[in-house]
Amino acid sequence: KAGVTQTPRYLIKTRGQQVTLSCSPISGHRSVSWYQQTPGQGLQFLFEYFSETQRNKGNFPGRFSGRQFSNSRSEMNVSTLELGDSALYLCASSPMGQGAGSYNSPLHFGNGTRLTVT
Amino acid sequence: SQQGEEDPQALSIQEGENATMNCSYKTSINNLQWYRQNSGRGLVHLILIRSNEREKHSGRLRVTLDTSKKSSSLLITASRAADTASYFCATSLGANNLFFGTGTRLTVIP
Repeated sequence: KAGVTQTPRYLIKTRGQQVTLSCSPISGHRSVSWYQQTPGQGLQFLFEYFSETQRNKGNFPGRFSGRQFSNSRSEMNVSTLELGDSALYLCASSPMGQGAGSYNSPLHFGNGTRLTVT
Repeated sequence: SQQGEEDPQALSIQEGENATMNCSYKTSINNLQWYRQNSGRGLVHLILIRSNEREKHSGRLRVTLDTSKKSSSLLITASRAADTASYFCATSLGANNLFFGTGTRLTVIP
């Protein structure tokens, strides 16, 4: 089974631009979560999508948004980029997600998209 | 914040030695998970221990959980150079997302 695939692997953008990151989950996995990883803040949860619906959301500004398609693939968008948005963005999938009753499913992570904002 | 904290932040050992990492968290949990991350890569799930379990083994890994102290430990026995990575604990309340700790950077010297 193919793992979680994230594209692109690296991105360089300038302040004020917007960016779209893509994530293809493991086949059959319906939940996709996004995390931001920085040296200063560590791993922080952005949001989770399940069956095309945002089910959970972390504490990030509205500039960060996402969506999930009917094939479970997910995209994450960041608008009006700031220098502080430079980070490794990780996508993770699981069969059912992290809601009650399914929280014992581990997450399967992609290798991330390294975003650099200049 | 429910975020866990790993201790130590960095650990350097010789190949063949055991490595122990600790994780403390703040609130009640449903389970605690350990993940490994090689530099610049995604996280790999290692082991999950439920709140009603006290110890779990998987190969060279041994995890303990003490819910009264809100702490967990990960022991890697007979370490190998390939074990060099960052290790994170993650807690789950069950209703929301995973909260990751700050990580322990393990270096195994050949």
